[in-house]
Amino acid sequence: DTAVSQTPKYLVTQMGNDKSIKCEQNLGHDTMYWYKQDSKKFLKIMFSYNNKELIINETVPNRFSPKSPDKAHLNLHINSLELGDSAVYFCASSQEPTGLAGVNEQFFGPGTRLTVL
Amino acid sequence: AQSVTQLDSQVPVFEEAPVELRCNYSSSVSVYLFWYVQYPNQGLQLLLKYLSGSTLVKGINGFEAEFNKSQTSFHLRKPSVHISDTAEYFCAVSPPGKLIFGQGTTLQVKP
Repeated sequence: DTAVSQTPKYLVTQMGNDKSIKCEQNLGHDTMYWYKQDSKKFLKIMFSYNNKELIINETVPNRFSPKSPDKAHLNLHINSLELGDSAVYFCASSQEPTGLAGVNEQFFGPGTRLTVL
Repeated sequence: AQSVTQLDSQVPVFEEAPVELRCNYSSSVSVYLFWYVQYPNQGLQLLLKYLSGSTLVKGINGFEAEFNKSQTSFHLRKPSVHISDTAEYFCAVSPPGKLIFGQGTTLQVKP
């Protein structure tokens, strides 16, 4: 059983299109995250949700809109895709926000490789 | 603000040799520290974590790390590496609510 799953695994699209990436966790966690890994493998937090509420937004362009329909899902919608959006996007989850009232390690999904042409 | 610096971008090593991957962090408050591993085309897997207490932390796959508060370091070590340890290794620190990662170190184990 996959703990944190993402779909699709690969996504190739044209500049200007709108696309979504879905994330689901079956760990019963309250907190979910989106990270972006660039071509140099640098990982950076984008968003964090706790109990379906946004708690961290790391100055991500507003073309990126996360949505959490329930605690087990955190989807990422991207409008007007740009070349610079090409990256691997990782979803993660933890019992509660990492480092807040406990360690709450994060569990990562397999990633979605987005290529914008 | 907190930050993490991994001092080596690539570490080539022969199979069965020992290895150390270096990580320094910067923080004005107590933090939790982590090492994650990313195998090719996969997500991140937790190797080990430091919360408090003993400065030597043991993780999975024979890895261990030593927390040194005075040097603000959290270096990862393994006494004898295998080909299967070839991967990207990330050190991370946790301000509340997120992880801040270092730039990553590519461990290349050669036969």
